Amino acid sequence: DAGVTQSPTHLIKTRGQHVTLRCSPISGHKSVSWYQQVLGQGPQFIFQYYEKEERGRGNFPDRFSARQFPNYSSELNVNALLLGDSALYLCASSLLGGEAFFGQGTRLTVV
Amino acid sequence: AQSVTQLDSQVPVFEEAPVELRCNYSSSVSVYLFWYVQYPNQGLQLLLKYLSGSTLVKGINGFEAEFNKSQTSFHLRKPSVHISDTAEYFCAVTRVGSNYQLIWGAGTKLIIKP
Repeated sequence: DAGVTQSPTHLIKTRGQHVTLRCSPISGHKSVSWYQQVLGQGPQFIFQYYEKEERGRGNFPDRFSARQFPNYSSELNVNALLLGDSALYLCASSLLGGEAFFGQGTRLTVV
Repeated sequence: AQSVTQLDSQVPVFEEAPVELRCNYSSSVSVYLFWYVQYPNQGLQLLLKYLSGSTLVKGINGFEAEFNKSQTSFHLRKPSVHISDTAEYFCAVTRVGSNYQLIWGAGTKLIIKP
């Protein structure tokens, strides 16, 4: 069975640009969460979606947005990139209220 | 709000020696507790979790953790480490009923010395 898949695996963007990160959950999982992991720190919760509705949002600026599609895949969008947005972005899928399974992450570098 | 403190950023230990990685949390409500492992250039893998019941929780790869409510701790232990245990370990907490929106510690790097 396929696990959580994220694309792309690596990405380099310039300050001020926009980026879209993608996540496909484990089959049958309807909940997707996004986390940001800055180098040397623990992950920080960004968003949680369930059945296409936002169920939670962390302390991130409005430049960060996300959505979930009818097939439960998800996109994380970041506008007006800053150097400080450089991080590993992790997607996790779960049955609602269940164990989170993580993808390998997307390494975003902003230059 | 919840918070998690991992008291050691790095823990060096000799191969086949025991290890304890410390985790303390702060919360005014009931929580679930987790330990995850992250190998270099990989995502996070669940080692073990405490939801309720016995305070001693056994996980994968020979790890175990003990939930201590009075000390608000959830320390991770392994009686004998192997070189393959080299990784970063994260403690996480979620408020009961929050749909598993995890709050994470800063991580502890386990360094195995041959």
